[in-house]
Amino acid sequence: SQQGEEDPQALSIQEGENATMNCSYKTSINNLQWYRQNSGRGLVHLILIRSNEREKHSGRLRVTLDTSKKSSSLLITASRAADTASYFCATDGRRGSNYQLIWGAGTKLIIKP
Amino acid sequence: GAGVSQSPRYKVAKRGQDVALRCDPISGHVSLFWYQQALGQGPEFLTYFQNEAQLDKSGLPSDRFFAERPEGSVSTLKIQRTQQEDSAVYLCASSRGATGPEQYFGPGTRLTVT
Repeated sequence: SQQGEEDPQALSIQEGENATMNCSYKTSINNLQWYRQNSGRGLVHLILIRSNEREKHSGRLRVTLDTSKKSSSLLITASRAADTASYFCATDGRRGSNYQLIWGAGTKLIIKP
Repeated sequence: GAGVSQSPRYKVAKRGQDVALRCDPISGHVSLFWYQQALGQGPEFLTYFQNEAQLDKSGLPSDRFFAERPEGSVSTLKIQRTQQEDSAVYLCASSRGATGPEQYFGPGTRLTVT
């Protein structure tokens, strides 16, 4: 069963605009991670945020985490055509072990040139 | 360095056939995971190895699914008597330590059962 739910399911924006995706989850977590998946390259790890962190930056990516609301957001600034992909959030397992990741269904992001 | 590789990339099997999917993790990575991903969905956990020990196989959907990692490196996921509902992309991932958490994924094997 899937823990996370991404919102929106699909997002189409113009190149250069910012893209925001949200993730909600159900149980307490140790970490939350965001991954990107595009055809031919598989899943690529983007960023990890720990449960005691509220915000994290990596290049054009900004992730926030609100454990009281069990939600996270991923912001991609100044989007590029190469950002076209599906984005997934993943949380560690129900038993508190961080080896098993539980995934949402993903947000499909399309960047229009 | 080399990433996680999987073979074959595509497999078409007739219903009832057995298939074997291979995963070569990043050298030295302790943990190895198998996931199943249906079209338009996120990955679903199948099983987890720490070195050669299979510590969790709770996600395997039936006893037709079997995974092994006999020497703690290469892993094989075997599906016996394939059914149409087995059609999916099978992803392998590895991580450096025993508890991850960052996982490195292979490109996946797309299995189509006809």
